[in-house]
Amino acid sequence: GENVEQHPSTLSVQEGDSAVIKCTYSDSASNYFPWYKQELGKRPQLIIDIRSNVGEKKDQRIAVTLNKTAKHFSLHITETQPEDSAVYFCAARGDTGFQKLVFGTGTRLLVSP
Amino acid sequence: KAGVTQTPRYLIKTRGQQVTLSCSPISGHRSVSWYQQTPGQGLQFLFEYFSETQRNKGNFPGRFSGRQFSNSRSEMNVSTLELGDSALYLCATYDGGDRRIYEQYFGPGTRLTVT
Repeated sequence: GENVEQHPSTLSVQEGDSAVIKCTYSDSASNYFPWYKQELGKRPQLIIDIRSNVGEKKDQRIAVTLNKTAKHFSLHITETQPEDSAVYFCAARGDTGFQKLVFGTGTRLLVSP
Repeated sequence: KAGVTQTPRYLIKTRGQQVTLSCSPISGHRSVSWYQQTPGQGLQFLFEYFSETQRNKGNFPGRFSGRQFSNSRSEMNVSTLELGDSALYLCATYDGGDRRIYEQYFGPGTRLTVT
């Protein structure tokens, strides 16, 4: 079955720096890759996603890139702010017609002022 | 639109008991998936229901079961609770139809503690 690896497990940056989180997936048939942000004690929130027919997607300070050949995708956050501090999860959806998301293990991002 | 809701938000149970959790999806969403979140195992897929039918299942023992009602609300049940079942149980819903809209939204979760 699908397996998703996520790195790094923790990431500390200074406010204003950029942050990059990387994920690799194993199932070449996966076709949808969302990213979720989870603040302490709260639900995971969908922040951006990308489909397999697109190489890059941007939404203000966040962007996601997808390399289907290498089977990896990355989350890029520019001009980080303290409120970006949270745990970020990547996920992959296989092309089975069913909504089974396989999640990475999470990256704890700490943005220091 | 109202978001995904889950009840109860917190539960404390004793080993051997059983528990039922409920999830009400966003209006119009017909698919409900359940996930278990623990510090050690992360977010793990339990099962997905669509139109009252389970159409996908994760690698959990048979003590974990679920169902979906005609209004798309879903329940999951855990029987013979074990200490290791202590976790945050999240449901997530999405459109589920033929429009291939995959965006999935999570409920606030039910924090289950087994003592």
